[in-house]
Amino acid sequence: AQTVTQSQPEMSVQEAETVTLSCTYDTSENNYYLFWYKQPPSRQMILVIRQEAYKQQNATENRFSVNFQKAAKSFSLKISDSQLGDTAMYFCAFMIYNQGGKLIFGQGTELSVKP
Amino acid sequence: EAGVAQSPRYKIIEKRQSVAFWCNPISGHATLYWYQQILGQGPKLLIQFQNNGVVDDSQLPKDRFSAERLKGVDSTLKIQPAKLEDSAVYLCASSLGPPSYEQYFGPGTRLTVT
Repeated sequence: AQTVTQSQPEMSVQEAETVTLSCTYDTSENNYYLFWYKQPPSRQMILVIRQEAYKQQNATENRFSVNFQKAAKSFSLKISDSQLGDTAMYFCAFMIYNQGGKLIFGQGTELSVKP
Repeated sequence: EAGVAQSPRYKIIEKRQSVAFWCNPISGHATLYWYQQILGQGPKLLIQFQNNGVVDDSQLPKDRFSAERLKGVDSTLKIQPAKLEDSAVYLCASSLGPPSYEQYFGPGTRLTVT
C-alpha cells in the first residue's frame, strides 16, 4: 500500500522569504506522479505543482519548485518570495500512473505567511 | 470554463438523519471522484466513477453511504443514517482521464452531524 507522510503540521514564514515543506512517501511502484495541492480557507483544492516520477528534472512553476529524490522517496516543496496569499494548507499527494487516478494524500502542512 | 460545482456548501443534521450532496463536474470530464476530508486530515477517496460506472469504491462505507452518477454527468452522494464521525468536508473532483488523470476540485460541502 502507498502512504504519504508530511511531518510538519504547521510552519510559518515571513513575507518575501523562502520556505520548504517536506513530504515522504512509500511505494513499490516505479511509475507514478507526485503533487502538491494548496487548500486555502475557502476549501478549494488547487494544484500547485506536479512531478512525474520518470523525469529526473525537478518541476518548477513560477515561485514554486520541488526537490524530488526518488531513491529517498522524498518530495519537498520550496516556495520562494512568499506572499500573504500563500497562506493555506498544503497537501502532498501520490498517484500511480495510469491506474484510474486515485490520489493518496498526506496529512497536510498549515503554512502561515506573516507580514 | 466552469469549474466543478457542488451543493450545498454547508449542511447540519442530527445523527441518524439522512443527507445528500450533489456534484456537477467540468463538462467533458469522464472521471468523477468523491473524497472525504475529516478535520485535520488529508482527503480520502470514497468512490470513483468512470462515466457512469464505478471504478473504485473500496473505502466507501456501503452500509450507510451510497453514490450514483446518472448519465455519466452529475453525481450524488448520500449518507443514511448519518453518524457523528461522518462530520467532514466532502469534496468532488473530476478529470479527463488517462494518462495523467489531473483532477479539478469543487469547493466542497461541509457536513456537521450533531
